[in-house]
Amino acid sequence: LAKTTQPISMDSYEGQEVNITCSHNNIATNDYITWYQQFPSQGPRFIIQGYKTKVTNEVASLFIPADRKSSTLSLPRVSLSDTAVYYCLVGPMDSSYKLIFGSGTRLLVRP
Amino acid sequence: GAGVSQSPSNKVTEKGKDVELRCDPISGHTALYWYRQRLGQGLEFLIYFQGNSAPDKSGLPSDRFSAERTGESVSTLTIQRTQQEDSAVYLCASSLGGQASTGELFFGEGSRLTVL
Repeated sequence: LAKTTQPISMDSYEGQEVNITCSHNNIATNDYITWYQQFPSQGPRFIIQGYKTKVTNEVASLFIPADRKSSTLSLPRVSLSDTAVYYCLVGPMDSSYKLIFGSGTRLLVRP
Repeated sequence: GAGVSQSPSNKVTEKGKDVELRCDPISGHTALYWYRQRLGQGLEFLIYFQGNSAPDKSGLPSDRFSAERTGESVSTLTIQRTQQEDSAVYLCASSLGGQASTGELFFGEGSRLTVL
């Protein structure tokens, strides 16, 4: 199982771009990288997923280098409502084994 | 319902009592996970069910904790002789599983347990 390492916390201001990097040195060939967002008193929710290179959706972008040992979640022009905890998770798409969350990154967006 | 449903949403109990938490996964999802989240902390893996395979119980913190799943539907997490350190939010998630899956986890809102 790949273990992930993320910064514990980050601060930003409204309108800025935020990049959160996750290290997963032991990622397996069939593992995908998925990011989740969690607001207080709620369960985490899916943001974005990728295997390699770059993925972009309406919420974020995910950058994955060729060696796949890290990934960077990019949130463009954050707002106060992006204040949350962000988790990086690696695992297979077929849910064939348990998924272990790391400690996550607590993002605080200031006015 | 369309999402993962957990009950009760809140449970206050006295130390030493048994509690049972319930999770209704999304219909058709073969994989089901239980996590524990203490205040201000990350998600701690407890147990994982996948189809009819034997569950992965490697995250259960003690023999006071147990979980069952009926086929590919409802799961119950039971905590016997509760202790104050069991106070946490217990989150359930399900995933489609198998070749058609994207691996995305769908979480319920959690059951907040407070042991007095």
